[in-house]
Amino acid sequence: GESVGLHLPTLSVQEGDNSIINCAYSNSASDYFIWYKQESGKGPQFIIDIRSNMDKRQGQRVTVLLNKTVKHLSLQIAATQPGDSAVYFCAEKNPGNQFYFGTGTSLTVIP
Amino acid sequence: DARVTQTPRHKVTEMGQEVTMRCQPILGHNTVFWYRQTMMQGLELLAYFRNRAPLDDSGMPKDRFSAEMPDATLATLKIQPSEPRDSAVYFCASGPYLAGELFFGEGSRLTVL
Repeated sequence: GESVGLHLPTLSVQEGDNSIINCAYSNSASDYFIWYKQESGKGPQFIIDIRSNMDKRQGQRVTVLLNKTVKHLSLQIAATQPGDSAVYFCAEKNPGNQFYFGTGTSLTVIP
Repeated sequence: DARVTQTPRHKVTEMGQEVTMRCQPILGHNTVFWYRQTMMQGLELLAYFRNRAPLDDSGMPKDRFSAEMPDATLATLKIQPSEPRDSAVYFCASGPYLAGELFFGEGSRLTVL
């Protein structure tokens, strides 16, 4: 299968600060990427996505950056709030429409 | 409010017993995925269906696991016989083919004693 890895398994940030979560992927043919948020006891929920023909996409308080040269994806959360505490996964989709996930980064927001 | 529905939410069983997990994908979604989540392995892809046909089940232990879609509204994942190492949370996800993200169910937490 694909190899999607996360640089840091845990991240703690102060409330109000910006958070950056990083992800490395291995398949240069992957054409679509998603960030998911998973809260305890729940299924992963979509945050933001980006297609391989883009290098940046912004949503509400979140930005995803894609660097295809080094096969790196990042999620930036602005003005992090306690409700942002969760595990964040990146996922890549290959041309066969299979989605592969990283192991996740646990984000803790300190009030 | 369309959502993926999984049953049971929790299952405790003894080693050797058969376990069946069910998933109702979102109406109109023609791709269905089964994932297993553990602390050590993260989200592992077990099986992938498109238009009810299995396209990839390479992530699934073939000797004890089987996945089917009897119809467009039901996907099943069966483990027979179950083993303690199968203890995990099993997620079903559905989505439109090549057209966007996957939508996940709430998962089935399996504990095999």
